[in-house]
Order: sequence, then structure tokens, then C-alpha cells
Amino acid sequence: NAGVTQTPKFQVLKTGQSMTLQCAQDMNHNSMYWYRQDPGMGLRLIYYSASEGTTDKGEVPNGYNVSRLNKREFSLRLESAAPSQTSVYFCASSLDRRIGAFFGQGTRLTVV
Amino acid sequence: TQLLEQSPQFLSIQEGENLTVYCNSSSVFSSLQWYRQEPGEGPVLLVTVVTGGEVKKLKRLTFQFGDARKDSSLHITAAQPGDTGLYLCAGISYGSNDYKLSFGAGTTVTVRA
Repeated sequence: NAGVTQTPKFQVLKTGQSMTLQCAQDMNHNSMYWYRQDPGMGLRLIYYSASEGTTDKGEVPNGYNVSRLNKREFSLRLESAAPSQTSVYFCASSLDRRIGAFFGQGTRLTVV
Repeated sequence: TQLLEQSPQFLSIQEGENLTVYCNSSSVFSSLQWYRQEPGEGPVLLVTVVTGGEVKKLKRLTFQFGDARKDSSLHITAAQPGDTGLYLCAGISYGSNDYKLSFGAGTTVTVRA
């Protein structure tokens, strides 16, 4: 029973490099989310996808792009990484936004 | 500025003591959730409250949603070291048609044996 799976778990990038964070859920959830977590700031929403084929910006979308590949998968892309994007990134999914979300284990990203 | 303000930011208590964590906002929420996060892991949903004045219990944890649906509290009775973690509240703004689940900054709870 995998739930929400994120890859990779750790990544170090040089400034200007690009990468894609992968996320997949096996719970048949419609909605998926990408958050970043920084000390003292809680979780901030980057992008979300209410359903397959739709994506919307959250609080901090600048510097990121997303793709909802199918119902299971939602990827986050950093086109040109910056040190300010050093953070822990979490993917989540939910059947109904009012009930609650299930989170992956996170990707710890360091940009040097 | 966070939509949801949590207090205190840090809490350290002895095993067996009680504690309360607060989550406040000037906005009304249609739904409010509490999560617990342990180091190196993602947040795990504890409970969802949707009705003003609602009280839910999960073993030694009691969750309350304010009558006006602007605030919530989490009370832990006889805390144990296993209760140590970051407690996060999150909510959906009332009347919102989008899917933005907003989080507070969290309360770090440490229970000493």
C-alpha cells in the first residue's frame, strides 16, 4: 500500500541546473498538490491540480512548472534552479479537499 | 502573513503533563484539519473538523473547532514521548471554490521522558 510516492528523496543541484520531481499516488485521488516547507514558514502551496488535465498556481509558483501527466502522476519542474529554491518539497493528494490530504515522504533539495 | 496563526511556536513538557496548541484566523473556514509531522517524514492527517463547535477525540487527543469556525485547538492529555512532533493546522476558506489548502507555520512539541 504505497500511498503517495516521491522521487528522488535527496538532490543537490548547481545554480542554473534543471530537474523534475516526480510524484505518483495509487489511491485514485482526483486532486494533487505540490508544497514546499521551509523552517518557521509551514507548508506553502506551489501548484495544485484539482483533476486530471487541470493545474493552477498556489501561493509561490514563480520558478516552477507542473504537469499532471495522468490521474496518478503530478510532476514539478525547476527550469533554472536558484539557491532560494533550497527546501523540502512535498507532494500530496486528496479525494476531497475538505476531508484531508495524504503526503509523500518529501524531497530534500539543495541548490548550491 | 499566514492565514492561519499557530501558537505557541515551541512547546516542551514533561511526560504525563497536558498541553494545548492553538490555531487562529480572522477568516472563516469550511473545514479545518490537523496533521502531525515527524522528522524526515511527510505530514500525517490526524483529524478533520467541519462543524462550528465540533469536538473530536482521538485517544488522548481532543480537537475542537470554534463556534465561528475561525479557530481550533488541539489538547493532549497525559502526553507521552511518542507525541513529540510538529503539529500543523490547515484549512479551506469558507466559500472558496478552489483547492488551496492553507497551512499554519506549526507548533513543535517535545515531550521529555
